[in-house]
Amino acid sequence: GAGVSQTPSNKVTEKGKYVELRCDPISGHTALYWYRQSLGQGPEFLIYFQGTGAADDSGLPNDRFFAVRPEGSVSTLKIQRTERGDSAVYLCASSLRREAEAFFGQGTRLTVV
Amino acid sequence: AQSVTQLGSHVSVSEGALVLLRCNYSSSVPPYLFWYVQYPNQGLQLLLKYTTGATLVKGINGFEAEFKKSETSFHLTKPSAHMSDAAEYFCAVRATGAYTGNQFYFGTGTSLTVIP
Repeated sequence: GAGVSQTPSNKVTEKGKYVELRCDPISGHTALYWYRQSLGQGPEFLIYFQGTGAADDSGLPNDRFFAVRPEGSVSTLKIQRTERGDSAVYLCASSLRREAEAFFGQGTRLTVV
Repeated sequence: AQSVTQLGSHVSVSEGALVLLRCNYSSSVPPYLFWYVQYPNQGLQLLLKYTTGATLVKGINGFEAEFKKSETSFHLTKPSAHMSDAAEYFCAVRATGAYTGNQFYFGTGTSLTVIP
């Protein structure tokens, strides 16, 4: 596609449930990032993939959060036992190479009720 | 470690007036620098970037920014504000080392209001 695509655009889930957020990066982009943005804040780094491997997962807040990118393209961010504090916009971005700018998707707004 | 400070969480300017949004970074070596804009309910869109070369960088929509190493700053300017410039603006940095620079560090953002 022309840009980074994220699905769903909105997700409402009950506390304790499991959710998956999908990111389809720009074709050919080897680097993929997940960020989380709370209201009134800047994006907060979660995890970075270079190809299929998670090169840096230092931003994942705890072990309820996990992300995969099995074929080096589409990535899924998985959140187990969701909590109300997980409510935020989850942004995905991709870039062609390490030093290039990142292109962001529209985000998935997650609301945990 | 990298960090970004954006002075002024809210800036208001009159239509046609100069826009100045401030960004200072903290880094042991000059990083790559970026400005992104975010419109309501949308993702981040790149305005401009500095990696190497000329320190005055021109971006889209008439914006420009100047990298000043001595001041560790990368302020964003536009000579004449348009109503359509009303949005949230984020400054971001990224390290340049071979084994660093995995992530972009973002400031907390500056909300720009343009008054007709």
